[in-house]
Amino acid sequence: SQQGEEDPQALSIQEGENATMNCSYKTSINNLQWYRQNSGRGLVHLILIRSNEREKHSGRLRVTLDTSKKSSSLLITASRAADTASYFCATYAAGNKLTFGGGTRVLVKP
Amino acid sequence: EAQVTQNPRYLITVTGKKLTVTCSQNMNHEYMSWYRQDPGLGLRQIYYSMNVEVTDKGDVPEGYKVSRKEKRNFPLILESPSPNQTSLYFCASSSGQGPYNEQFFGPGTRLTVL
Repeated sequence: SQQGEEDPQALSIQEGENATMNCSYKTSINNLQWYRQNSGRGLVHLILIRSNEREKHSGRLRVTLDTSKKSSSLLITASRAADTASYFCATYAAGNKLTFGGGTRVLVKP
Repeated sequence: EAQVTQNPRYLITVTGKKLTVTCSQNMNHEYMSWYRQDPGLGLRQIYYSMNVEVTDKGDVPEGYKVSRKEKRNFPLILESPSPNQTSLYFCASSSGQGPYNEQFFGPGTRLTVL
């Protein structure tokens, strides 16, 4: 199975609500990265959090990392219709590979 | 503008007909990689390159080849495509000789093998 696995697989919310998605992984990591993908397009980097960091913010995005539980969460506050996309976590562990999870599909209804 | 470009964006081909998907970045990045994206399977890494003339297999390298003769280019070669290689392909690049920084992705190449 994959190193990073997102939960839930899909999420539907109303505009203005917060969206939270989680990523669990299996092995120790150097960093964890979150990406957004609009339908069929290239991925866009959102936030990178290193293994010695616990929380990072970028605009309406908040990422937490709990290395003891091997999990991370991405919170999008005050969601907008433009936030409709798939969100992926990716982990950088040993070696030179980045491993992606299966993604969370987020639908923000106006 | 800093970017990763891929060509072609869409390709329909037949089994066994050799094809190359080009990838180019203008950011002087050392690390480049190829991924394929299939429904329900997320992104899986095919090959990566840490620098010129240094390439290595990712998680799903079978049926693919790559080369890195120049820093900016990282073509993906399918010598004898098969229908199970029908997929959405992404090239990505980042600074440093590993994926420890932000990855910049190309727009994707949608390949159909009949």
